[in-house]
Amino acid sequence: AQKITQTQPGMFVQEKEAVTLDCTYDTSDQSYGLFWYKQPSSGEMIFLIYQGSYDEQNATEGRYSLNFQKARKSANLVISASQLGDSAMYFCAALTQGGSEKLVFGKGTKLTVNP
Amino acid sequence: NAGVMQNPRHLVRRRGQEARLRCSPMKGHSHVYWYRQLPEEGLKFMVYLQKENIIDESGMPKERFSAEFPKEGPSILRIQQVVRGDSAAYFCASSPRLVLAKNIQYFGAGTRLSVL
Repeated sequence: AQKITQTQPGMFVQEKEAVTLDCTYDTSDQSYGLFWYKQPSSGEMIFLIYQGSYDEQNATEGRYSLNFQKARKSANLVISASQLGDSAMYFCAALTQGGSEKLVFGKGTKLTVNP
Repeated sequence: NAGVMQNPRHLVRRRGQEARLRCSPMKGHSHVYWYRQLPEEGLKFMVYLQKENIIDESGMPKERFSAEFPKEGPSILRIQQVVRGDSAAYFCASSPRLVLAKNIQYFGAGTRLSVL
């Protein structure tokens, strides 16, 4: 079974700076996917970025990148050049590929971007 | 291409009433998932459906909760005889036919259920 740990309940960053949100996962599966979602105060869940366990390169999507360290079982999200609109909850999630297709979520990190 | 549509956005029910939550997946998506989010928590999986089939309902409470995804129309999550503990945000997600297991689930805006 998957378990996702996000150890930072809250993070603060200055506008235009980079920030790293931590995520570790616990799985014995060989094939899995890792995801990050953003939940602004309006409540919707927005997909940000995906990393497959067999992907050799770290995933990038615009200002988002995923620092994937397989041996450490970590999948940290890096947001570069933070913007005020990045203030939100961020959730790390994992999915076992080839098995049940349910996402397992961490408890989230609340990011606040200061002007 | 419209996203995942959930309605209503907000639903208020009194204890003992029924709650019906609807979800229309993204066009071309045949897989639907329901998740529940309690305050200050991450999302918890409830059920995974394909058209006319329940694939995995391991996260569904054994009583009062049911889900369907008929051949025509939206997926429905039904909660009978609601209790205060059912108050939560309920999210629906959909994904396309799985390709090499890169199963990205796209979420709707959620339905916030309040039980008085």
